[in-house]
Amino acid sequence: KQEVTQIPAALSVPEGENLVLNCSFTDSAIYNLQWFRQDPGKGLTSLLLIQSSQREQTSGRLNASLDKSSGRSTLYIAASQPGDSATYLCAAPLRGGSEKLVFGKGTKLTVNP
Amino acid sequence: GAVVSQHPSWVICKSGTSVKIECRSLDFQATTMFWYRQFPKQSLMLMATSNEGSKATYEQGVEKDKFLINHASLTLSTLTVTSAHPEDSSFYICSARDLRRPGLAGSHTGELFFGEGSRLTVL
Repeated sequence: KQEVTQIPAALSVPEGENLVLNCSFTDSAIYNLQWFRQDPGKGLTSLLLIQSSQREQTSGRLNASLDKSSGRSTLYIAASQPGDSATYLCAAPLRGGSEKLVFGKGTKLTVNP
Repeated sequence: GAVVSQHPSWVICKSGTSVKIECRSLDFQATTMFWYRQFPKQSLMLMATSNEGSKATYEQGVEKDKFLINHASLTLSTLTVTSAHPEDSSFYICSARDLRRPGLAGSHTGELFFGEGSRLTVL
């Protein structure tokens, strides 16, 4: 059964810092992995989708990596800004390329001005 | 990108009443939609898969008679929480897949998009 773990649970950094959020998953036979952003009381915004054939995916200041062999993914945020403050969720398919996603509990990021 | 809309965004109801939450795909058709539930400080948990024109499939531990799902058209799925109790208070989020988008590697699916969520508070 797929399980997704995210560490740290919370992170507070000063503006401008580069930071890394970690995600681990137990079933590595997945075809992709997604990172989402969730603002308080809001739905999910998809940030990055990494296919199993890719090792990295970039969007602006965000870079996500996927290492299936170790069951890990990281989300790198460069030059953090107060507007980046949110909870970041990692989600892996229940199995293979399933559209049923298993989510981690998220990392709550606070970027202080 | 594709848009998934939920309504209402929040609702407060008395214990014992039923509440209906709508999930709409605004600019694409969705044969399949997914309903998730999120308790405070917890991760999203998949409740059920809504299938257009057929019965929903529920995850283990989710009562199908309590959480009624209807997917009557290709753009609308509804979740009805029947005889709601305070323990049903939660954040409910739906997602839908856009089959027009390139399929994910190794899968038969299109990209998934999530709604804004509906916060239910049962008094």
